[in-house]
Amino acid sequence: KNEVEQSPQNLTAQEGEFITINCSYSVGISALHWLQQHPGGGIVSLFMLSSGKKKHGRLIATINIQEKHSSLHITASHPRDSAVYICAVGEYGNKLVFGAGTILRVKS
Amino acid sequence: EPEVTQTPSHQVTQMGQEVILRCVPISNHLYFYWYRQILGQKVEFLVSFYNNEISEKSEIFDDQFSVERPDGSNFTLKIRSTKLEDSAMYFCASSEGRVDYEQYFGPGTRLTVT
Repeated sequence: KNEVEQSPQNLTAQEGEFITINCSYSVGISALHWLQQHPGGGIVSLFMLSSGKKKHGRLIATINIQEKHSSLHITASHPRDSAVYICAVGEYGNKLVFGAGTILRVKS
Repeated sequence: EPEVTQTPSHQVTQMGQEVILRCVPISNHLYFYWYRQILGQKVEFLVSFYNNEISEKSEIFDDQFSVERPDGSNFTLKIRSTKLEDSAMYFCASSEGRVDYEQYFGPGTRLTVT
């Protein structure tokens, strides 16, 4: 059974700061997803990756398959980035296992 | 941009009643999922559905739960004889393929069992 751990649990940053959220998992996976959950509860997919690095605007996601570790970076953070960021892994089947999420607050 | 929709947004029911949560996945997607999130806890996988049958289900998804794709557009989750601990946000999601494809989530249905 895969265990997905995220760190930190809570993160407060000043506007403009570079932010890193980490995710580690215990068992080999077919893909890793980074999701954003807004205060109202809605979930939005940010990235799906199985190797290397992906970039979308100010967001960058990397994964190291050998080390079973992924990072989500936010450059030039903004208050509108405040949300819960969730890492979820897919285990070669039809099921995602979710981390507990990182609560990010960006202050202006 | 196509999106997953869910109805109702909030459902209040009494313990022991049956509820049906409805979802309309993105039209060209083939895989459908239900997840739940109890307040303050992680999102949990309930069930995945492909080609008109369940492809995987979690330990949570027992005989109290069932899923159905009654027509070409709707995907439903039925919870029989609801319990207080079924109170949660229920999310539907769809994707073009399995877990190595991006999943698109609906806005969720908040179920409150009293």
